[in-house]
Amino acid sequence: DTGVSQNPRHKITKRGQNVTFRCDPISEHNRLYWYRQTLGQGPEFLTYFQNEAQLEKSRLLSDRFSAERPKGSFSTLEIQRTEQGDSAMYLCASSPTGLDEQFFGPGTRLTVL
Amino acid sequence: AQTVTQSQPEMSVQEAETVTLSCTYDTSESDYYLFWYKQPPSRQMILVIRQEAYKQQNATENRFSVNFQKAAKSFSLKISDSQLGDAAMYFCAYRTGMDSSYKLIFGSGTRLLVRP
Repeated sequence: DTGVSQNPRHKITKRGQNVTFRCDPISEHNRLYWYRQTLGQGPEFLTYFQNEAQLEKSRLLSDRFSAERPKGSFSTLEIQRTEQGDSAMYLCASSPTGLDEQFFGPGTRLTVL
Repeated sequence: AQTVTQSQPEMSVQEAETVTLSCTYDTSESDYYLFWYKQPPSRQMILVIRQEAYKQQNATENRFSVNFQKAAKSFSLKISDSQLGDAAMYFCAYRTGMDSSYKLIFGSGTRLLVRP
């Protein structure tokens, strides 16, 4: 399967712990996006990379959130000092240059106890 | 700021019938793109159909078509000959036409139930 993959698929953590999620985009897709989706809502944009450069960040991305895409391939999203309000599905998507369509991964479901 | 509104939390359709899902949006831009994405239960979100704002012709993809009313800022999705596999959450999404931003702004979604 050459689609977008995300790991882990599920993560349960205690409040105050740090968590890191990984996203592997479709090969040769230079654009990578992170979204957060809470229950009953549509995805909300968090951040966007073009290759290794982080070009856009949402105000939702507080200082506890950091995202990287070190070599323009996979990306990581870290949440420090997790709070119960961080519980959500974290979606990653990728797209190639010149194409509007974003290809989504299965998501990582985070539960903060 | 742009917003997308889907006022139907849930819709139901009989198999083989036609259903229309509503979406309205608010923007001051003249150049933008609109999308419908489908999110089946426990599966990845996939693109159903897209529309460029500068195109007057409504987009069509097989059984899926849109009614794009730019002046009214309305973008509805019509699903013809509904199938059991169409059951999913459907999200309307907006993207600015500015080259510097590629983020999608989503509505809250409509859950489509298909009755056999």
